[in-house]
Amino acid sequence: AQSVTQLDSQVPVFEEAPVELRCNYSSSVSVYLFWYVQYPNQGLQLLLKYLSGSTLVKGINGFEAEFNKSQTSFHLRKPSVHISDTAEYFCAGPDTGGFKTIFGAGTRLFVKA
Amino acid sequence: DVKVTQSSRYLVKRTGEKVFLECVQDMDHENMFWYRQDPGLGLRLIYFSYDVKMKEKGDIPEGYSVSREKKERFSLILESASTNQTSMYLCATGRPGGANVLTFGAGSRLTVL
Repeated sequence: AQSVTQLDSQVPVFEEAPVELRCNYSSSVSVYLFWYVQYPNQGLQLLLKYLSGSTLVKGINGFEAEFNKSQTSFHLRKPSVHISDTAEYFCAGPDTGGFKTIFGAGTRLFVKA
Repeated sequence: DVKVTQSSRYLVKRTGEKVFLECVQDMDHENMFWYRQDPGLGLRLIYFSYDVKMKEKGDIPEGYSVSREKKERFSLILESASTNQTSMYLCATGRPGGANVLTFGAGSRLTVL
């Protein structure tokens, strides 16, 4: 079965600094990967997705992620964060059957002024 | 946009009570899911359904049941609530095939005393 590992549980960063949230996956089948964001007291919303094609994927709010097959990684990046980016971020992908979605444990991003 | 509505945002129940969590979607998606979210554990799949009256166990179905009598409505039932079921419950929908991108409701935070 596929697994998704988020390497950092919490990431504090100052406003306007760059940030990288790390995600590693394992899979023996075709890979779809996602990043979802959860703002306080809300459900999750899709930030970006990799289905095929270009390995650099751009999402909403200036985020991007790079699919790296050799390193089995799908790290999320933003060159300059804002206070409003404070949220929990989840990396996710399908299980081997392709029907269910498996989520990482989440990374809490704290943006400080 | 797909809208997924969870009717109860916050609930407080007593041990042994029967609890119903309702989820309604308005975009004719075939697949519906119930997850629970706990700190440090990410999202764990409780049950899912890919058609009316169809249901499949997820990774942690014990203590839960579901009902899907209509395509747009997927209910999660706790027959006899226990304190270890205190959690955030998230409903999600998706289309079959492809990458199964999920759309989430705002969540229902359940506290069992």
